[in-house]
Amino acid sequence: DAGVTQSPTHLIKTRGQQVTLRCSPKSGHDTVSWYQQALGQGPQFIFQYYEEEERQRGNFPDRFSGHQFPNYSSELNVNALLLGDSALYLCASSLTGRAEQFFGPGTRLTVL
Amino acid sequence: QQQVKQSPQSLIVQKGGISIINCAYENTAFDYFPWYQQFPGKGPALLIAIRPDVSEKKEGRFTISFNKSAKQFSLHIMDSQPGDSATYFCAASNGNSNYQLIWGAGTKLIIKP
Repeated sequence: DAGVTQSPTHLIKTRGQQVTLRCSPKSGHDTVSWYQQALGQGPQFIFQYYEEEERQRGNFPDRFSGHQFPNYSSELNVNALLLGDSALYLCASSLTGRAEQFFGPGTRLTVL
Repeated sequence: QQQVKQSPQSLIVQKGGISIINCAYENTAFDYFPWYQQFPGKGPALLIAIRPDVSEKKEGRFTISFNKSAKQFSLHIMDSQPGDSATYFCAASNGNSNYQLIWGAGTKLIIKP
């Protein structure tokens, strides 16, 4: 079992650009949640995808959007990047109805 | 009401000692309380978790103590080892919000040899 995988590992973008981050959940999991972790802080919930639809959303602007594919993998898209979007973006997978969430290694996004 | 407050911010413990990290919450709807361990540059790893119908849960050297009336829970690491040096996060969630995790601010733990 490969666990949760994320790509790319690191990414550098400039203000105003857009970015796409990818996540593959653990085998058997059908739910993907995305979190943003600023340096030295706890993660903040962005949104959760299940059955290819956004099921729950945190307090993030519409610049943050996502997608889930039929194989349960997911993408996080961020448009019009701001310096404040620099963070570690974490993907977590789970089985719907179950509380346990398992995290990938994250994608470190730097916005210059 | 959605906050989870974690203390201390940092902690230094001698090898072999007991590390204790505390968390408090307000939302009584929370029904799942996990602890995560995170090493620099890595994603958080689920360490141990508890439900509010249990006052204590032990897995190896790690124990969660849960006080429902005080709305507090804590992580105890027995016989702390240098390899335990990491940042620890408490979190809380409930099924009504699809187990969206609300996180504490983290505790940086250093175990001195």
